[in-house]
Amino acid sequence: EAGVAQSPRYKIIEKRQSVAFWCNPISGHATLYWYQQILGQGPKLLIQFQNNGVVDDSQLPKDRFSAERLKGVDSTLKIQPAKLEDSAVYLCASSLSTDSPLHFGNGTRLTVT
Amino acid sequence: AQSVTQLDSQVPVFEEAPVELRCNYSSSVSVYLFWYVQYPNQGLQLLLKYLSGSTLVKGINGFEAEFNKSQTSFHLRKPSVHISDTAEYFCAVTPNTGFQKLVFGTGTRLLVSP
Repeated sequence: EAGVAQSPRYKIIEKRQSVAFWCNPISGHATLYWYQQILGQGPKLLIQFQNNGVVDDSQLPKDRFSAERLKGVDSTLKIQPAKLEDSAVYLCASSLSTDSPLHFGNGTRLTVT
Repeated sequence: AQSVTQLDSQVPVFEEAPVELRCNYSSSVSVYLFWYVQYPNQGLQLLLKYLSGSTLVKGINGFEAEFNKSQTSFHLRKPSVHISDTAEYFCAVTPNTGFQKLVFGTGTRLLVSP
């Protein structure tokens, strides 16, 4: 089966600019997650979707981060405006359900200068 | 809430030597435990998981881990490492109500040299 697809792989922007990341989960996977992995740290959950509804966004900085999952398939994560501390790898993961293991994409590495 | 501690940020080892990567967790409820591996510029790949039953769990690539409830540990072991095992290893925990709400440790970088 095809894995979780993410794009772009790398992005460099200046602070205060906006950026968007895209994720295409494994076909049939109802649950989708976005994680932020800062250098030297483990991944931290930003938001979880079940189909096209948000299940958990308690750790999403909602003043600058937004995410959507239109039609319950692809998802986009947006940052506007970006700050230096947003430099990280953004990982998307999907699973059949909340009772199934997560499958991770290769991530998008964001550098904010 | 759950938390994970990986005490070793980096573990250097020679090829064909055994290795143990340590993981301790904290939780007020029963948990599921996981080990993930991350190769450079790639996402996380599941090595193994403990859900219930036997405390010794075998995973891919010859890795195994042992769940110790009294010591709240889930150490990862491999009897003989290869150069290709060089990667970052993450321990993770979640309440045993599902696979969501994964909490990761800070990772251990395994460096295998010839």
